[in-house]
Amino acid sequence: GENVEQHPSTLSVQEGDSAVIKCTYSDSASNYFPWYKQELGKRPQLIIDIRSNVGEKKDQRIAVTLNKTAKHFSLHITETQPEDSAVYFCAATLGGSTLGRLYFGRGTQLTVWP
Amino acid sequence: DAGITQSPRHKVTETGTPVTLRCHQTENHRYMYWYRQDPGHGLRLIHYSYGVKDTDKGEVSDGYSVSRSKTEDFLLTLESATSSQTSVYFCATRGGDTYEQYFGPGTRLTVT
Repeated sequence: GENVEQHPSTLSVQEGDSAVIKCTYSDSASNYFPWYKQELGKRPQLIIDIRSNVGEKKDQRIAVTLNKTAKHFSLHITETQPEDSAVYFCAATLGGSTLGRLYFGRGTQLTVWP
Repeated sequence: DAGITQSPRHKVTETGTPVTLRCHQTENHRYMYWYRQDPGHGLRLIHYSYGVKDTDKGEVSDGYSVSRSKTEDFLLTLESATSSQTSVYFCATRGGDTYEQYFGPGTRLTVT
């Protein structure tokens, strides 16, 4: 199966600073990489995703970059706000399958201090 | 949230008893997934379904079974609950033409 490593496990930033979370994956055939945000006691919410044929994708203050050669992808949050505080999970599909099985990283607890 | 509901939302049960969790969706999504979430482990796939009566095992399937007799319902059964199955269980669904998965609100299960 796929192995997804996520770093750091905790991240504290000042409001207005940028935050970067990195993930690596093992299966070179993986082709879909979503990021989820989970607030305390809530369900994971899809915030952005990227396909393997794209190197970067942006949505307002959030961006994801993918380096297929190095098998890593990153979440970038700019101009962070206290409401960005949450646990963020990266994931990758099992390569070559249409069944959409996702393998998740262990999560990053992001805290944004006002 | 893709019209996904889970029941019950909270349950406390004793070791050795059977437990069934239900996931219900109104989006007519083909794919449905059961995950468990434990501190330090992220989300791990238990079982998934790619159509009515079509199911398969995930990473952590031991001690769990599933059934899908209708498109809208996906049931997760713990045949004989153990304390190691204390967890938060999330259901997710996906349409057939996209990889995006949407999660239900979760069920917090405690096995004493």
